[in-house]
Amino acid sequence: DVKVTQSSRYLVKRTGEKVFLECVQDMDHENMFWYRQDPGLGLRLIYFSYDVKMKEKGDIPEGYSVSREKKERFSLILESASTNQTSMYLCASSLTVSPDTQYFGPGTRLTVL
Amino acid sequence: GNSVTQMEGPVTLSEEAFLTINCTYTATGYPSLFWYVQYPGEGLQLLLKATKADDKGSNKGFEATYRKETTSFHLEKGSVQVSDSAVYFCALGAGGTSYGKLTFGQGTILTVHP
Repeated sequence: DVKVTQSSRYLVKRTGEKVFLECVQDMDHENMFWYRQDPGLGLRLIYFSYDVKMKEKGDIPEGYSVSREKKERFSLILESASTNQTSMYLCASSLTVSPDTQYFGPGTRLTVL
Repeated sequence: GNSVTQMEGPVTLSEEAFLTINCTYTATGYPSLFWYVQYPGEGLQLLLKATKADDKGSNKGFEATYRKETTSFHLEKGSVQVSDSAVYFCALGAGGTSYGKLTFGQGTILTVHP
């Protein structure tokens, strides 16, 4: 069974802290994605990666960076957390460059105080 | 650019009622279309998909038909259950060099009462 796991379900951080969100997939997928989900706004793409060490900005990359050192792992980094980054963060992966099913992790609810 | 518009929610229905959630899209070329469902406390999971015009996706009693002439992909179910209460997302994938990116609608919250 396909599986995408995220390091934490709930996280509380202080303004200005550096925050790491980790995502691991066990399906040997090429593509990995980070989204944030906010009520009324749906899912918005932050960054994605189509290969190891390759990354592309999504629609809302400001304030975030990513790292993909191994195929199965994709990390989202908040360099200096701010209160407007309080949100649900979802990681996903997919197999091919064609429009394909994305498999999602359970999400991390991040609160920045 | 690509965009997806879903009907405004939330939607509240009684068990066994008919469900329609509207979804329209804007895209160049021939996108693939998806419906995802998010149950409380979980990530999204694929409900159904269609990859070309006039295709019908179906799963768990839900159906949606890819209508290129009206740029729509409306989700329907003939008789909803309490267990269908969830958030539903329409999405499109544009192909080309998009690296599998999907564009999502804003989501529609469905609540089904006994």
